[in-house]
Amino acid sequence: DTEVTQTPKHLVMGMTNKKSLKCEQHMGHRAMYWYKQKAKKPPELMFVYSYEKLSINESVPSRFSPECPNSSLLNLHLHALQPEDSALYLCASSHGSGLRDQPQHFGDGTRLSIL
Amino acid sequence: AQSVTQLDSHVSVSEGTPVLLRCNYSSSYSPSLFWYVQHPNKGLQLLLKYTSAATLVKGINGFEAEFKKSETSFHLTKPSAHMSDAAEYFCVVSDPDTGFQKLVFGTGTRLLVSP
Repeated sequence: DTEVTQTPKHLVMGMTNKKSLKCEQHMGHRAMYWYKQKAKKPPELMFVYSYEKLSINESVPSRFSPECPNSSLLNLHLHALQPEDSALYLCASSHGSGLRDQPQHFGDGTRLSIL
Repeated sequence: AQSVTQLDSHVSVSEGTPVLLRCNYSSSYSPSLFWYVQHPNKGLQLLLKYTSAATLVKGINGFEAEFKKSETSFHLTKPSAHMSDAAEYFCVVSDPDTGFQKLVFGTGTRLLVSP
């Protein structure tokens, strides 16, 4: 069992739908991350929240909108997605110290398919 | 800039034989290095980490890795492969920042284990 929980596990949506991905951790971590992973590729960083503030947006299109309501929760709001956005979306968390040796803990991801 | 290079995209072994997954890194300072494993439709699980203490690092499930500064390598080994080891393996270097860290991923090595 992973310590980072992501829901839903699978999501199929049309290009005009609005949906949200959710991520939760109770390890007391203060940094949380969203990644996008295409098949047979490593994860690509999308957003980083540090102490509930957005610290990094890796030039992600505005149809993806992150939200960090509190230190345990991370959401990714989706609207007007394109077929190329179909991927595995991974959430991760880490200790907020920024120390190099603190690993990130990953959830099992949400498999997103855009029709 | 930091980077990692995984030298093999695929490695095939027989069950019970040794495993060697190769990784070379480039870093302007003493790096923090990780190996993660990803099973199909799962998130990334931390196998082990190097953080400038012992150069031989032991991880979970019988895996270990040796940090060799002179060769800028951090190869992952296991004495005897199990069928359950079949997965994608990522070598990762940490690029720290204030309050969070950015991970730089290798391209991944798919480990195939045959009976």
